[in-house]
Amino acid sequence: KAGVTQTPRYLIKTRGQQVTLSCSPISGHRSVSWYQQTPGQGLQFLFEYFSETQRNKGNFPGRFSGRQFSNSRSEMNVSTLELGDSALYLCASSPRLAGEPAGSYEQYFGPGTRLTVT
Amino acid sequence: GNSVTQMEGPVTLSEEAFLTINCTYTATGYPSLFWYVQYPGEGLQLLLKATKADDKGSNKGFEATYRKETTSFHLEKGSVQVSDSAVYFCAQRQGGSEKLVFGKGTKLTVNP
Repeated sequence: KAGVTQTPRYLIKTRGQQVTLSCSPISGHRSVSWYQQTPGQGLQFLFEYFSETQRNKGNFPGRFSGRQFSNSRSEMNVSTLELGDSALYLCASSPRLAGEPAGSYEQYFGPGTRLTVT
Repeated sequence: GNSVTQMEGPVTLSEEAFLTINCTYTATGYPSLFWYVQYPGEGLQLLLKATKADDKGSNKGFEATYRKETTSFHLEKGSVQVSDSAVYFCAQRQGGSEKLVFGKGTKLTVNP
């Protein structure tokens, strides 16, 4: 089975622009979570999607948004980019099924998208 | 709020040395505890986990025991190899949530 894939792997944007990152979970996985990794703040939870609905959101400004499609693929969008948004953005999926509580399974991480804002 | 504190390192060891990376947590209730490893240029891989007090997680020679009384989940390995060089993250997850709360990570370098 293919792992979690994230595209693009590397991205360079300018302050003020917006960016969209994509995550394709492992086939059959319906839960997708996003994390931001920076040297200063470490790994921080952004949001979680299950069955096309946002189930949980971390403490990030409204410039950070996401969505999930019916095929479980997920995108996250950052508008009005700031220098501090430079980070590795990681996506993780889990095989949670409808009716099962969140946190029932291991999460599988993708390789990440490295975003650089100049 | 829930948090994880781990020694930040960096840690440099010689091959076959003993490894300990300390991790403590604060949480409401009894979270599940994890150690993840990140190799250069890659995402996170689950190394081991424990879901309740006194559970011992183990994998690839690494071990960690869930200690409720000391709120700790220290990672140990008896004999490290050069291939163990990576960044190690301790994490917790509350029941009923997918959200992982991570420590800052510990960079381990093992020299031959």
